[in-house]
This record gives sequence, structure tokens and C-alpha cells, in this order.
Amino acid sequence: QVQLQQSGPGLVKPSQTLSVTCAISGDSVSSLTAAWNWIRQSPSRGLEWLGRTYYRSKWGNDYAVSVKSRITINSDTSKNQFSLQLNSVTPEDTAVYYCARAEMLVGGYAFDIWGQGTMVTVSS
Amino acid sequence: QSALTQPASVSGSPGQSVTISCTGTSGDVGAYNHVSWYRQHPGEAPRLIIYGVTKRPSGIPNRFSASKSANTASLTISGLQAEDEADYYCSSLTTSSPLWVFGGGTTLTVL
Repeated sequence: QVQLQQSGPGLVKPSQTLSVTCAISGDSVSSLTAAWNWIRQSPSRGLEWLGRTYYRSKWGNDYAVSVKSRITINSDTSKNQFSLQLNSVTPEDTAVYYCARAEMLVGGYAFDIWGQGTMVTVSS
Repeated sequence: QSALTQPASVSGSPGQSVTISCTGTSGDVGAYNHVSWYRQHPGEAPRLIIYGVTKRPSGIPNRFSASKSANTASLTISGLQAEDEADYYCSSLTTSSPLWVFGGGTTLTVL
């Protein structure tokens, strides 16, 4: 079955870059039907979609306007994984970060597979 | 402030039914049938329980049902069980940015 395994540091200093990686097993980051997403969750902001990467004969990305100037989502086909980088972080970026697969299931598009979550705290 | 509006909490006794609403706009819930619901137990990642407004993934019991009318989606859980006590979130694809939005979550308490 498809599984997503996250890794990354739990503590990041203000103004630095947050990086989290999501390793995929049971599917391919180059899937022609799936999109690979980053979602975060905090008490103040709830669940917040941050962005996605996907492959449809070429690579594409979409980002939430709220983080568009600071976010990069990359894919690594050799390791079958994708990663999140969020620059210039502040304490407001403290959250649990999830990677998730969005797949077009029969009848609807949804986040059907989630990573285990990575708690990232932004603090000096 | 979440994009989709859900009640903060609902409760019910074992065996009873509860319904959770999810109100959006014509730019999200009302625009597509890509409305989904997720259940989250403490310390765990969300789990998909409804997609395509009404469909259940494999392994989700038929006690879970859902619907949509205009800009409001609803999740009904019948035959409440203790294990249903969790947070529930709705989500929808949107016509703009962000591409996906979520509700603020509803805490279900099984009395």
C-alpha cells in the first residue's frame, strides 16, 4: 500500500529555512494522476494547504498565495520523494507539517494518503 | 479564520446520529463535487472518510454518509461508537487560491 514517510528537523530559528522531506513508497512521485501536497496544522490557523507538485508530461507546482513568496516544493525522482522549503520563517510558521497525496479517486479528488506529520517549532 | 465554516463541537450518545455541517461559497463547496471529509484522532494524521461529496473509501463503514446542497456540505455519522470521538474536517477544491481549503474542524464527543 502507499505510504508517506516524513523527515526533517523539529526546531528552526527565526529567519531561517524550514525543510521537510516526504519519501513515497508504493507509488511514484512521477505519477500521472497524483499530486503531492504539503499541508500544515496549527491551533491558530487550523489545516492550511500550502502547495503541491505534480507531473503531467512536465513538472508543475501550485502554491498558496499566503506563502507563495517563501515556499518551494521540489521532487526527486531518483529517491522517489518530494520536499518542502519555507524561507524566512517566523514563530507563526510553527505547526505540524503534513505531506499528502491528492488522487483523483472514482468520483472525486481528495487527500487519500497522509504522512505521519512533522512538528516544526520556530524559535531562537 | 478557516475558509469553510463548521460547528466547533457536536455530541451524541452511543447509537445515536449526529450531523456536521460545512459551509463554504460558490467558489469552493458550491463549485465542485470535490468535497471531502477527514477524521483525526489526537496525535494522528487526518484520515479520509468521504470524498466526492458522498463516496466512502474502502474500509470506511456505511455508518458514515454525506451530502451537499448549494454551498453547504454535511457529514452524518449514525450508530455512534466510542471510536468515533475525534475531530472532523471538511475540505474542498476551490476555483482560485488557495487551491484547497479546509474547515476549522468539529470535535465530536460521544457521551
